[in-house]
This record gives sequence, structure tokens and C-alpha cells, in this order.
Amino acid sequence: GAVVSQHPSRVICKSGTSVKIECRSLDFQATTMFWYRQFPKKSLMLMATSNEGSKATYEQGVEKDKFLINHASLTLSTLTVTSAHPEDSSFYICSLWDRTKGQYFGPGTRLTVT
Amino acid sequence: GQQLNQSPQSMFIQEGEDVSMNCTSSSIFNTWLWYKQDPGEGPVLLIALYKAGELTSNGRLTAQFGITRKDSFLNISASIPSDVGIYFCRNTDKLIFGTGTRLQVFP
Repeated sequence: GAVVSQHPSRVICKSGTSVKIECRSLDFQATTMFWYRQFPKKSLMLMATSNEGSKATYEQGVEKDKFLINHASLTLSTLTVTSAHPEDSSFYICSLWDRTKGQYFGPGTRLTVT
Repeated sequence: GQQLNQSPQSMFIQEGEDVSMNCTSSSIFNTWLWYKQDPGEGPVLLIALYKAGELTSNGRLTAQFGITRKDSFLNISASIPSDVGIYFCRNTDKLIFGTGTRLQVFP
């Protein structure tokens, strides 16, 4: 069965609004979570790495004030796209990692900003 | 920055044919992972390789960790329609995904 869930699976929002995407671990407590972004026909690009209880580490070129990550518990991480614009439209995928379980990817959330 | 280049970029093949794709890097890596991503889904791990020269199979899939540790190959034998998707290589050293190979299988 699924190890990682994401909610929502798809969201359409107006430009200027904020969108929150949830990533949940269903099977184990994840000490580390990763957020990726994937543009159409492109590869997955790592946006940030978050450890439970501490601030996320963002990759170069990713604005931390625009993509707010909250890893509040060992089973939940949220990514909030603030003041979304059409260029933020993408497929956002979270991934969980545990040193004994390994790494698992969520099913993704497709964001469309109109 | 770091990049994993995959070749070919896209493949269109007939059902039953074998498929071969590769992934190359400018740097040496200690681990190679191969993933498949179905449309609208997250990637799923297919095969993991941990040492140079290693050859590992998973059903119709076979992957090899290149001797130079700068490349890896993935082969799919007797392709079927459900093999359609994007195949990514990845390393755990830098959490980088390859550029992807898009596979289309025609019945």
C-alpha cells in the first residue's frame, strides 16, 4: 500500500493566492522530508530538505519566503506556495526518508495557477 | 552544477522489443538508483546499485553500475504497454535526478 500521501492531488488557484500542499507519511516516522518540483517533460528538481523540528534547507535559486515549508511532525510536512503566479504551476512531489526504511516518494500534487 | 545526463531522451518502440538506456555523470558516484514515473504520479524505485560493476535484475529489468562509477545502464526486455513512462536515474550522493528517458510502447 501507499507509504506517502499528498493532498490535494490537484489544485487550481488564482494568481496572487496562497496554496498549501500536505505530505503525510502513512507507514513510518520520517526524520527527513524532501520537496521536489517537476515542470512538464522535465526532471524532478530538489527544492528543499526539511528535518523535523528544524528549518528547511533550500536549494540555490529557491525562494524560502515564497515556498514555506513546515515539518511540524514526523508524519507531516507542508509546502505553502505564497502569492502564487502562473510560473509556479508545476508538479510538486514530496519524498520521505528514514535511515532504516529508505526513501519513498509521494504521488505528487499538480498546481495550476491561472 | 551537477547533472546526470540520460540517453536517449525519448524512445518509441513496439511491444516485445528490448529497451536500453543509460545515464552518465561527470562525477564519480557511490550509488545509482533507477526510478520509473507514471504520468501524474511520483517516481517509484526500480533498482538500486551500490558498487562498480554490479549487475542487478528485477524481473524484466536489468541495471548495471558502470566500472568507471560515472555511468549506469538500464535494460528492459520484452517490453509491454505498461512499461510506458519516464525513467530516471538518480544518485543518493547529491539527491540529483537524471534528465529522464521517456518511453512509449506501441502494441
